[in-house]
Amino acid sequence: EPEVTQTPSHQVTQMGQEVILRCVPISNHLYFYWYRQILGQKVEFLVSFYNNEISEKSEIFDDQFSVERPDGSNFTLKIRSTKLEDSAMYFCASLPRDTAYEQYFGPGTRLTVT
Amino acid sequence: LAKTTQPISMDSYEGQEVNITCSHNNIATNDYITWYQQFPSQGPRFIIQGYKTKVTNEVASLFIPADRKSSTLSLPRVSLSDTAVYYCLVGDAGNNRKLIWGLGTSLGVNP
Repeated sequence: EPEVTQTPSHQVTQMGQEVILRCVPISNHLYFYWYRQILGQKVEFLVSFYNNEISEKSEIFDDQFSVERPDGSNFTLKIRSTKLEDSAMYFCASLPRDTAYEQYFGPGTRLTVT
Repeated sequence: LAKTTQPISMDSYEGQEVNITCSHNNIATNDYITWYQQFPSQGPRFIIQGYKTKVTNEVASLFIPADRKSSTLSLPRVSLSDTAVYYCLVGDAGNNRKLIWGLGTSLGVNP
């Protein structure tokens, strides 16, 4: 069964550093998402991406965040200058088409900012 | 998007049927209902989706009454491996399909 993959599984970085989290969505999917989950808290929507542009973003997704789909397969989330409060699990998800309901989630990247 | 309310936690025993009820009083006509499962340190996994009445798949059943203000996820004969957090989500079919999450129900299955 096709699956969403994410790398790295765990990233440790120092406050103020830039990080790039990588995702490879399922190949024929059209909609892509990033969510995050701070330890012990609920999953939070960050951004949705369709047709090579952001279709919606949450209040969390400020100027420090950006997303790219540089080569038609990878989908990346960049945090320009990390803060302690960015420490969380970051999940990538993809959806085959707008009439589908099942989002396929990757295993997540645990980001630890020290 | 309609807010959902579900119990924070439930406990059960292996072999029992578990029913988790979610209320979504403000559900809109275009909204659909999905349930996801999440194990610790893993990404959520889709379980089932429905709009009204009853839906059944190989994993679970979803019961939705006529007024659609609640839904019940039914897990038949749970095992220890069903210990997880279960999320009820109400989604707008036209809203980029983004998912807005609550705290979910933490299900503990005991031997």
